Amino acid sequence: SQTIHQWPATLVQPVGSPLSLECTVEGTSNPNLYWYRQAAGRGLQLLFYSVGIGQISSEVPQNLSASRPQDRQFILSSKKLLLSDCGFYLCAWSVNGLRGTQYFGPGTRLLVL
Amino acid sequence: GQQVMQIPQYQHVQEGEDFTTYCNSSTTLSNIQWYKQRPGGHPVFLIQLVKSGEVKKQKRLTFQFGEAKKNSSLHITATQTTDVGTYFCAGLSIQGAQKLVFGQGTRLTINP
Repeated sequence: SQTIHQWPATLVQPVGSPLSLECTVEGTSNPNLYWYRQAAGRGLQLLFYSVGIGQISSEVPQNLSASRPQDRQFILSSKKLLLSDCGFYLCAWSVNGLRGTQYFGPGTRLLVL
Repeated sequence: GQQVMQIPQYQHVQEGEDFTTYCNSSTTLSNIQWYKQRPGGHPVFLIQLVKSGEVKKQKRLTFQFGEAKKNSSLHITATQTTDVGTYFCAGLSIQGAQKLVFGQGTRLTINP
């Protein structure tokens, strides 16, 4: 069966520090991968998606970036965090193109101070 | 671009009361999906509707897809405390970029 892992579960970082969140998927090949951000009590904002290794599409211009160095690995990064980067970051995967059912990871809660 | 709106944003009910959340898309959809996110958790897929006018049931949950395939609803009969959470719809438009667009969610709280 497929599983999706995210780490860390919780992260507290100072403003201006770098960020690296990692997501890995097991049990499936060539998944579509997604990064979402959810502000406290709010909806899901799609940040990036990837249909394959090295292929990244950005949905929202900001100081975040994403990379997919391996088929089942998706990384979210920032060189300098802002206060507005606080939130719950969710990685998800799907098959059957970008229209397929999305399976979410456990998420990373990021607090920027 | 495509927009998916959900109402209400929040709903508080007494345990045993019914609950309904509505989802409206600015464009015609090829399918709509529903997800549930428990407090502190991540969204979990519930169901997908594809056909115009489709109705599906999961125990006390009833999902409907509108005839025009631009709206959907989720109805919970006789809510229980385990129903607490945020319910999201996500629609796939028949035109434009072929990817799911999530609504902002309806947060359900229940008074036991």
